[in-house]
Formats: sequence, C-alpha cells, structure tokens
Amino acid sequence: KQEVTQIPAALSVPEGENLVLNCSFTDSAIYNLQWFRQDPGKGLTSLLLIQSSQREQTSGRLNASLDKSSGRSTLYIAASQPGDSATYLCAVKDQGGSEKLVFGKGTKLTVNP
Amino acid sequence: NAGVTQTPKFQVLKTGQSMTLQCAQDMNHEYMSWYRQDPGMGLRLIHYSVGAGITDQGEVPNGYNVSRSTTEDFPLRLLSAAPSQTSVYFCASSPGQGSRGYTFGSGTRLTVV
Repeated sequence: KQEVTQIPAALSVPEGENLVLNCSFTDSAIYNLQWFRQDPGKGLTSLLLIQSSQREQTSGRLNASLDKSSGRSTLYIAASQPGDSATYLCAVKDQGGSEKLVFGKGTKLTVNP
Repeated sequence: NAGVTQTPKFQVLKTGQSMTLQCAQDMNHEYMSWYRQDPGMGLRLIHYSVGAGITDQGEVPNGYNVSRSTTEDFPLRLLSAAPSQTSVYFCASSPGQGSRGYTFGSGTRLTVV
C-alpha cells in the first residue's frame, strides 16, 4: 500500500529565505507526483506535476524534483514571501491504471515578514 | 472557464438526513473524483469515475453514492448522514491518463449534528 509522508509538518521562516519541502513515498512504481498548495479554508491549487520519467519541473520561484528510485520529491521555493504562507501537499498517482491520488498530510509553511 | 465548481460551499445536516453535493466541470475532463479531508487524516478518495456511466469505489466509500450520467457532472449523495461524515469534501477532475494532473474544486464544508 502506497504511503506518502511529508516532513516537516510545519515550517516557519523569515521572508527572503530559500526553503525545501520534502515528500517521500513507499512504492516507487508511480505514474506521477503532483504538488498542491492549500490556503486556509480553500481548495487545492496545483503547483507542479512531475511525470515518473522526469527529474524536475520548474514554475517561477518553484522547483520540484523527483527521485523515483529513492522514493523522494522535494519542492524548492526561492526567495520566500509572506504570500507563500500556506499548506503544501504532495500527492502520488500509482502505476497500474488506478485514478487514486495518495496524499501526504502536508507541510504548513509560514513566511514571516 | 470556471474549472471545477462545487455547491454548496457550506452545509449543516441533521443525523439521518440525506443530501447531494454537486460537482460540475467545464473542461471536458474524463476523470472525476471525490475526496474528503479530515484533520490528521489527509485527503482520502471516496469514489471516482473514468467516464460517463462508469464509477468505482475509492478508499472510504461507505455511506456515499455516486453516478455519472454526463461528462460534466459528478454528484455525491449522502444516503443517511452521520456525524462521522462531518468533513470537507473536494471534487477533482483530470483529462485522464495522468498527463496533466488533477484540478480541484473549492470544497464543501459539511457538518452533521
């Protein structure tokens, strides 16, 4: 059974700092991995999608990497801003045709001005 | 282009009542899913559909019913509400084959008293 873990559960940093959020998964037979952002009381906003054949994806100040063999993904946020404060979730879609996304419990990020 | 639209945004039910959570998408996506989000549990898949007329159970299907008569709509029915179904419900859609990831709605916050 696929399990996804995100460490740390919470992170507080000063504005301007570069930071890394971690996501690990137990079964390396994944189809893709998706990073989401969730603001309090809101839905999930997709940030980056990495296919299993890819090593990384970039969007603006965000860079996500994938190491399938070790079961790890990282989300790198450059020059953090208070507006980046949110909960970040990673989700894995397994191979085999299942449409189920397996989610981690998220990392709550606070960027202090 | 509205994306994934969920209604209502908030709902309070009494134990034993039934109701339908509505989900509609205007992106012509084949795949649609329902998740619930609970504190400490993360997001869990309730039911999903890979196309009109095709539905299947996810991780926590008990107490819920779905149907998919059109590509656009995927309603979730609570048959007899229980306090354990107090949660935030998210609908999501994808073009399929995992190539572009999932788009999520803004959620329905349900309280069963």
